[in-house]
Amino acid sequence: KAGVTQTPRYLIKTRGQQVTLSCSPISGHRSVSWYQQTPGQGLQFLFEYFSETQRNKGNFPGRFSGRQFSNSRSEMNVSTLELGDSALYLCASSLEGLPRGKQFFGPGTRLTVL
Amino acid sequence: DAKTTQPNSMESNEEEPVHLPCNHSTISGTDYIHWYRQLPSQGPEYVIHGLTSNVNNRMASLAIAEDRKSSTLILHRATLRDAAVYYCILSLGGGADGLTFGKGTHLIIQP
Repeated sequence: KAGVTQTPRYLIKTRGQQVTLSCSPISGHRSVSWYQQTPGQGLQFLFEYFSETQRNKGNFPGRFSGRQFSNSRSEMNVSTLELGDSALYLCASSLEGLPRGKQFFGPGTRLTVL
Repeated sequence: DAKTTQPNSMESNEEEPVHLPCNHSTISGTDYIHWYRQLPSQGPEYVIHGLTSNVNNRMASLAIAEDRKSSTLILHRATLRDAAVYYCILSLGGGADGLTFGKGTHLIIQP
C-alpha cells in the first residue's frame, strides 16, 4: 500500500496570504489528523476528520481550518498567514481514528512565511 | 490535560537493550499510552500502544505499571537506526485532544 502523501512538500508565502495543503491518506483509512511542528512548540494537534466530519479540534485560532472529501483526502487551509505559522505541517491517517488507532504520518509540508 | 514526563535524552550502546521511561501520573482509566518516534527530517513513526496490559510487537515492547502511572518502552537490541526522538503520548479516551506530543526523549546510540 502507498503511504500517506502530502502536497506540496515545500511552500513559501508572504504574510497576509492564505495557503491550502493537501493530504492523501492510506487507502481505506477514514481518519485524517493534522499537526503543526515547530522547534519551539514541538508537535501540536490541529484537528481530526473522520468520514468527512471534524471529530476533534486542537487549540488553534479559526484561521486554521480543514475539510475532508468523500474519498478521505483532506485539505488544510490557513488564512491571513503570520510569520509564526512557519512550520512543518504533518498529516496522519488512521483506520480507526483517535484515540485507539495507529497513526501513519506523511512526510509533511514545510511552510515558510516571509 | 493528561501529560507525560520523559527524560530529555538517553544514551545507549549498539546491540544492547534500551529502556525508555515515561511518567503519566494523571492518566485516567480511558487513556491509551502511545509511543511514536521521529527520525531526523521525517514524520513521526508509530512504535507501539497499549491500554492496561503489556504489549509486544516486532519493533518493541511496552511495559505498563500496574497503577498505569508509568510505562517503559523497551527496545530489545538497539541499532544505529533506532537513534531518534521517542515520544510517549496519552490519547484521551474521547480523543478530544488528539495526540498531545511532549518534548520526547532524544535517544543516542553509540556504535
